[in-house]
Amino acid sequence: QVQLQESGPGLVKPSGTLSLTCAVSGGSISSSDWWSWVRQPPGKGLEWIGEIYHTGTTNYNPSLESRVTISVDKSKNQFSLKLTSVTAADTAVYYCARAGVVADSFDYWGQGTLVTVSS
Amino acid sequence: AIQMTQSPSSLSASVGDSVTITCRASQGIRNDLGWYQQKPGKAPKLLIYAASSLQSGVPSRFSGSVSGTDFTLTISSLQPEDFATYYCLQDYNYPRTFGQGTKVEIK
Repeated sequence: QVQLQESGPGLVKPSGTLSLTCAVSGGSISSSDWWSWVRQPPGKGLEWIGEIYHTGTTNYNPSLESRVTISVDKSKNQFSLKLTSVTAADTAVYYCARAGVVADSFDYWGQGTLVTVSS
Repeated sequence: AIQMTQSPSSLSASVGDSVTITCRASQGIRNDLGWYQQKPGKAPKLLIYAASSLQSGVPSRFSGSVSGTDFTLTISSLQPEDFATYYCLQDYNYPRTFGQGTKVEIK
């Protein structure tokens, strides 16, 4: 059973950098899956941020691409998100998720972590 | 980006009712769509993938169908645990895009 666990600071200052890590257990990050980040502002809908393959290949949402970097650390079986120049609009619950091989749907999710952008 | 227009935004129903939620894609996406259920404070849960395939462990009262660019999630005989918000997500191309969500509430 694959499990994903997000970790990182819950509070980030405006204009700072949001950094989160998603630890993968019960499976290998080097499998034939894509690993994504999704966010949800309080009381609002879901937004796909981007994804990474274990080779380091990435795809990003154009709306965030200039500020986003997703990276993978195969030795630690984890992947990470960095979002620069954050504002209050980046306050959200951030989820990591796996897109499985059978279909590109997200079959495993982390529990989510709330990141608040505030001084 | 492909727009996913989901309707209705909310609905009220009773236990035992059948409910239908629709997502319309702004262009053809084959059958590359999933449906997710989200309860308050929880991560989304995959119900249906590839438009009509039931994810393992999901009750058979959930079903999905497609007609052109219109995708439908049907819950037959609504159960108390089904009151939640439902989202569609197209995985045909990038960026992945979600519908706006449908909140299913108790009548």
